[in-house]
Amino acid sequence: ETGVTQTPRHLVMGMTNKKSLKCEQHLGHNAMYWYKQSAKKPLELMFVYSLEERVENNSVPSRFSPECPNSSHLFLHLHTLQPEDSALYLCASSQEGLDRGFSGNTIYFGEGSWLTVV
Amino acid sequence: AQSVTQLDSHVSVSEGTPVLLRCNYSSSYSPSLFWYVQHPNKGLQLLLKYTSAATLVKGINGFEAEFKKSETSFHLTKPSAHMSDAAEYFCVVRIRGGSQGNLIFGKGTKLSVKP
Repeated sequence: ETGVTQTPRHLVMGMTNKKSLKCEQHLGHNAMYWYKQSAKKPLELMFVYSLEERVENNSVPSRFSPECPNSSHLFLHLHTLQPEDSALYLCASSQEGLDRGFSGNTIYFGEGSWLTVV
Repeated sequence: AQSVTQLDSHVSVSEGTPVLLRCNYSSSYSPSLFWYVQHPNKGLQLLLKYTSAATLVKGINGFEAEFKKSETSFHLTKPSAHMSDAAEYFCVVRIRGGSQGNLIFGKGTKLSVKP
């Protein structure tokens, strides 16, 4: 138990569906992240929220839409995905400085949501 | 530029023998270094972390790593492997400052443990 909870753990969706992944952290952190892990590829950072404001978007396609309603919750809304989007999506959190400059602090990961697009 | 190189994509050991997973890094700044473990169908779990205090860092499950600045290495070791250690291990660099929260991951080393 890392203090970062992701739901659902497994999701199968069609290319025309709309679904969402949910992440909740119980660590009192002020930064949250979405990462994508595909087979045989390094982890890719998708989005970073610090103090509920998006500070990083690594050119992710618009069919992925993040939402951070408060510092404890993070969503990833999925719409018209492609089969190549099938992957493990990892949520993470950390405690960062109030100036939004990132520290060397530990990032804690959830167990991940396995997404299959058919 | 920052980078992480894990020198072996796959390491196989027998149960009860030592484990060595190698990691070299490149960083212009004073980095934080981490080892994470990922068991099959699971997320990433922090094993240990170096942040410029003691150069020998002890982690969970009997693992430890030594930061060697002169060699820019942060190798992970364990004196005696257990079957439950079979997993993928990631060496990770995180730099301080800047506007990015990114971690720089190595490509991972898959550890197999034979009975």
